[in-house]
Amino acid sequence: SSELTQDPAVSVALGQTVRITCQGDSLRSYYASWYQQKPGQAPVLVIYGKNNRPSGIPDRFSGSSSGNTASLTITGAQAEDEADYYCNSRDSSGNHLGWVFGGGTKLTVL
Amino acid sequence: QVQLQESGPGLVKPSETLSLTCTVSGGSISSYYWSWIRQPPGKGLEWIGYIYYSGSTNYNPSLKSRVTISVDTSKNQFSLKLSSVTAADTAVYYCARINLVVVVAATEYYFDYWGQGTLVTVSS
Repeated sequence: SSELTQDPAVSVALGQTVRITCQGDSLRSYYASWYQQKPGQAPVLVIYGKNNRPSGIPDRFSGSSSGNTASLTITGAQAEDEADYYCNSRDSSGNHLGWVFGGGTKLTVL
Repeated sequence: QVQLQESGPGLVKPSETLSLTCTVSGGSISSYYWSWIRQPPGKGLEWIGYIYYSGSTNYNPSLKSRVTISVDTSKNQFSLKLSSVTAADTAVYYCARINLVVVVAATEYYFDYWGQGTLVTVSS
């Protein structure tokens, strides 16, 4: 099956911009979706498709993609953005629907 | 507002079968894909498998020999069975809805609603 690779940890100063990346062969064929997970809580969808935000997600969250890399950008990071972030895409290795998650990136807001 | 709620035993003995049910409220289970995802303590998310409301399924190849997902549209529920469990199957198990969007003639899928998760511990 496909694999998605994320940096384990990233930090950003309060109010600055941070980019969280996700690499994998499946991203050449499919867009990534991104999930935010705070301790003890279920993941929450923050970006899907080309660059769509669900209702209620602040517009400081945006997504982009190039080649085998997808990125989640937080422009003007806030203290409440400190969380684990996971990318996800379809698994491109088979003929049937399947999905794969990245290993997650722990974001620290300094 | 769609809500999902996992239910089932929180403790399962090694070699036995883990069984969980996800109840969907605030919307119909029809016309969507539904999925199970798990997260071992302190680790990342792992996709387990999906079921379409019509009953078609697919599973993570690493778990395929032990997983069965079924749906009961009359109860608006879908279920997970994982057989021959070991301590490595200890995790928070989430159910989630799979939605889709068409992007330039291609279909992109995403998990838009999640249950709160339920911790299942495998121990004797």
